[in-house]
Amino acid sequence: GESVGLHLPTLSVQEGDNSIINCAYSNSASDYFIWYKQESGKGPQFIIDIRSNMDKRQGQRVTVLLNKTVKHLSLQIAATQPGDSAVYFCAENWPNNAGNMLTFGGGTRLMVKP
Amino acid sequence: DTEVTQTPKHLVMGMTNKKSLKCEQHMGHRAMYWYKQKAKKPPELMFVYSYEKLSINESVPSRFSPECPNSSLLNLHLHALQPEDSALYLCASSQDSGNTEAFFGQGTRLTVV
Repeated sequence: GESVGLHLPTLSVQEGDNSIINCAYSNSASDYFIWYKQESGKGPQFIIDIRSNMDKRQGQRVTVLLNKTVKHLSLQIAATQPGDSAVYFCAENWPNNAGNMLTFGGGTRLMVKP
Repeated sequence: DTEVTQTPKHLVMGMTNKKSLKCEQHMGHRAMYWYKQKAKKPPELMFVYSYEKLSINESVPSRFSPECPNSSLLNLHLHALQPEDSALYLCASSQDSGNTEAFFGQGTRLTVV
């Protein structure tokens, strides 16, 4: 059988539909969150961020929702396009005087069908 | 300029070699980071430099040695690596060490043979 962690969770959507990617974060003290998009062979690319004093933030075609009660983050992409196909990571920042300790979630692969 | 530039893009090295990865940014950022990413896994934090001083070392083996010569440059010196160290090594920078967006480079694909 398959080992856990060898395959990323995959979300497959039709072009033009809306996508929702979910993330559970681990530290209730985390106060800053970022969604990154990573295409094959490239580094993570910033999409949108949100601070813990907010529960929603909108960008161009993207919306991030934060539910601190259940430690849940979601990324909504409107009118998904083939160029949105990539792996999406959420990252949480643990408050730390020493530096920005961004810790990444496991990632979700988004596949957009034309 | 919002780029973090990493060189080389690809590196193959033997277990007895010494090599260095380089990272450069000209955004005036004062915090810089090294991450390691294995295939189909999220990036894992290795080191954080804040104002050119090492502030976080995530229990990384001593065969990885970071260096920050100035506020724009970050190096990662490699010596006596193992095949399991093969991975994508990502550099990132942010304005400071607080809650600010971190920009990533394209990474160096390292293969240890």
